[in-house]
Amino acid sequence: DAGVIQSPRHEVTEMGQEVTLRCKPISGHNSLFWYRQTMMRGLELLIYFNNNVPIDDSGMPEDRFSAKMPNASFSTLKIQPSEPRDSAVYFCASSPRQGANTEAFFGQGTRLTVV
Amino acid sequence: AQSVTQLDSQVPVFEEAPVELRCNYSSSVSVYLFWYVQYPNQGLQLLLKYLSGSTLVKGINGFEAEFNKSQTSFHLRKPSVHISDTAEYFCAVSEFGNEKLTFGTGTRLTIIP
Repeated sequence: DAGVIQSPRHEVTEMGQEVTLRCKPISGHNSLFWYRQTMMRGLELLIYFNNNVPIDDSGMPEDRFSAKMPNASFSTLKIQPSEPRDSAVYFCASSPRQGANTEAFFGQGTRLTVV
Repeated sequence: AQSVTQLDSQVPVFEEAPVELRCNYSSSVSVYLFWYVQYPNQGLQLLLKYLSGSTLVKGINGFEAEFNKSQTSFHLRKPSVHISDTAEYFCAVSEFGNEKLTFGTGTRLTIIP
């Protein structure tokens, strides 16, 4: 398996624009996580899905952020409108089954810069 | 709610010297514990995990960690580091029955030749 695939790897956008980050989890994995990494706040869990259903979105910072998982092989994280403080590396991760004892497999991340 | 504290943000170590990266957690219930490594411009990769059983856990690249319930710690150790160990290391915790994985702020390990 190719692992968790995220696109794009880098995104530079202007403030106010809509940004969509994409993730393809590992085939057969039932859980998907979106994380944000910044120098100031470290790694923060934004939202996670089990079997395509959002379970915990308490980490989503504002209504400008939304995430969807229309099927088991694809998820998006959308920011609309984007702001400079959204600049960060966004990671997607998936894990094989529901349960806290399974490791999460991370993608390479998307480095977002909002100017 | 669970939380993780990594006491050292940066640790410089001479090559071939031993290293210990410290991690303490807080939780009101039983937990699972993980160490991840992040190389520059990469995603996170699992080094090792503690689920149950023996408190000494061995992982990849010669790393090991010991779970100490009384001290709520899960320190990571390696007896002899190599230049290739230069990376950021994250301790993480999840609680029984909850998939939410909470990370510490990370420790940047720098190996001095």
